[in-house]
Amino acid sequence: AQKVTQAQTEISVVEKEDVTLDCVYETRDTTYYLFWYKQPPSGELVFLIRRNSFDEQNEISGRYSWNFQKSTSSFNFTITASQVVDSAVYFCALSPPVDTGRRALTFGSGTRLQVQP
Amino acid sequence: GAVVSQHPSRVICKSGTSVKIECRSLDFQATTMFWYRQFPKQSLMLMATSNEGSKATYEQGVEKDKFLINHASLTLSTLTVTSAHPEDSSFYICSARQYPGLAGITDTQYFGPGTRLTVL
Repeated sequence: AQKVTQAQTEISVVEKEDVTLDCVYETRDTTYYLFWYKQPPSGELVFLIRRNSFDEQNEISGRYSWNFQKSTSSFNFTITASQVVDSAVYFCALSPPVDTGRRALTFGSGTRLQVQP
Repeated sequence: GAVVSQHPSRVICKSGTSVKIECRSLDFQATTMFWYRQFPKQSLMLMATSNEGSKATYEQGVEKDKFLINHASLTLSTLTVTSAHPEDSSFYICSARQYPGLAGITDTQYFGPGTRLTVL
């Protein structure tokens, strides 16, 4: 069975602060995919990143960065110099390996980020 | 990038009526579509997996007779909530898996914008 844990239910920061959203996962698969999505109040999921389990290289995209550590089964997401527009619910998700017929995502419970001006 | 649409985006209905939600992949073929449900301030939970031309696979606890899924083509899947009740009020989101095998096409999933169902 797969499981994704986002222990932080809600985080509130002041604009320009850095913030890290934690994600810990469990899977018996040796290969898998990890994702982060942003869900603004409109409800539509915004894809942020997909990471293959065999690629542990950290990634940076503008103010966003991701730290994937297989040894601790974590895939944390950091927003640098947060902005009010970053306010949303962020979901970490996990999917089975490519060779399975089912590719549904298992989502964490989400972290609500509020960035105060 | 690939686009998935859902229709309607919002629906309000009376208890006991049936509601159909459409999920379309606009510019790619989707062999598999997934239906998720999200209650307020909760995470997305998979309801069922819909494969083109075959019966849907439902997750444990999801009533297949209540949530009818039809995947008649590679670009369209429909979810019908039959005899809807207030407890069915939720945000329903579909995702479509892009058909692999074509050169340059990676196997990935795209989410629709969601349908907010309110049952009075």
